[in-house]
Amino acid sequence: SAVISQKPSRDICQRGTSLTIQCQVDSQVTMMFWYRQQPGQSLTLIATANQGSEATYESGFVIDKFPISRPNLTFSTLTVSNMSPEDSSIYLCSVVTSGRGDTQYFGPGTRLTVL
Amino acid sequence: SQKIEQNSEALNIQEGKTATLTCNYTNYSPAYLQWYRQDPGRGPVFLLLIRENEKEKRKERLKVTFDTTLKQSLFHITASQPADSATYLCAPVSGGSYIPTFGRGTSLIVHP
Repeated sequence: SAVISQKPSRDICQRGTSLTIQCQVDSQVTMMFWYRQQPGQSLTLIATANQGSEATYESGFVIDKFPISRPNLTFSTLTVSNMSPEDSSIYLCSVVTSGRGDTQYFGPGTRLTVL
Repeated sequence: SQKIEQNSEALNIQEGKTATLTCNYTNYSPAYLQWYRQDPGRGPVFLLLIRENEKEKRKERLKVTFDTTLKQSLFHITASQPADSATYLCAPVSGGSYIPTFGRGTSLIVHP
């Protein structure tokens, strides 16, 4: 299993600003992911955070808007840039720990409100 | 395109009864399928995984079935309790991938 913490847990931001969300895992993991969950919707994968290389983004998400860092095997950040009210959402970090990759563990999420 | 369907209407049941949640998928051939529980304001919590060659999987009061012909998975909670009230997400995973695609989830409300 894995214990994941995220900072901040919630924030209210002004349009046009940026927010960096941190994800810390209590053990080294191979795969880390960032998801978005908009109100009443399911989880949408934003990107896979790759250690030592650029993140792999899903269709509809770009690096300029959601830059991701992963400096080591236990930590990652997601930045939401030039925010607009449409970015209001819960952002979740998740990891896969087993070699078979068949169980994902999620962080508690960061609730972002953009005014 | 790939589609995952879970009943968007909340399922209301009486304590002690069996809750059955449905997940249907189309244009998909998952190697395995996961079920998660999500409480308000929290991240999803992994519950069970069932592989394409398994018909049924059990864990305590939980049971999952997987019918690749019908393209459907059923999630059962027996002897349900108010503490089981939450949203339950279905998440199939394609072969060769570690990344599930999540359904919208079905809200379960267990009344005392």
